[in-house]
Amino acid sequence: EAQVTQNPRYLITVTGKKLTVTCSQNMNHEYMSWYRQDPGLGLRQIYYSMNVEVTDKGDVPEGYKVSRKEKRNFPLILESPSPNQTSLYFCASRWGNTEAFFGQGTRLTVV
Amino acid sequence: ILNVEQSPQSLHVQEGDSTNFTCSFPSSNFYALHWYRWETAKSPEALFVMTLNGDEKKKGRISATLNTKEGYSYLYIKGSQPEDSATYLCAQNQAGTALIFGKGTTLSVSS
Repeated sequence: EAQVTQNPRYLITVTGKKLTVTCSQNMNHEYMSWYRQDPGLGLRQIYYSMNVEVTDKGDVPEGYKVSRKEKRNFPLILESPSPNQTSLYFCASRWGNTEAFFGQGTRLTVV
Repeated sequence: ILNVEQSPQSLHVQEGDSTNFTCSFPSSNFYALHWYRWETAKSPEALFVMTLNGDEKKKGRISATLNTKEGYSYLYIKGSQPEDSATYLCAQNQAGTALIFGKGTTLSVSS
């Protein structure tokens, strides 16, 4: 089954404690992206990757890191989380102009 | 930075009403325009991907049109049903970039 898998689905953490949200896709898609969704602000792009070892900043990259060492995986790293990074995060992948497939979402709370 | 605008922000209709939403986007360097349906507590799911000026796509009671020269797309829902209640997102990508989303139109259909 074609899918994008994110983990964890829910996470509560404390300020400053490094965390990683994993994202994996099994469709051999070249494009992968991370978005955050906040009330009234829609889906805002954090980082995206057009292929292995190629990543670019989106609109809100501050406080986040990503890596694309393999085509299927695109982890999102928060080196020192802060409360303003409390949000709902989505990973998505696609190939060329075709539709994007989204992960199930990760609801992160930083206290 | 791409700026994708959607209107209205929210909409409430009665069952059986037909409705439409607007998505406007920069017409320069256009590559593709996507529409997604996003139900509460779920992940966005693709409705349409359109690439050519004048494209029209249809899926059941939902259809979409695209005007790349003037930079807008319309999504139409004919005979709205309560199960159509969701947030409808449009997104654009230019060549070689990730998808940039509008803030969405939230539709509520009363029975």
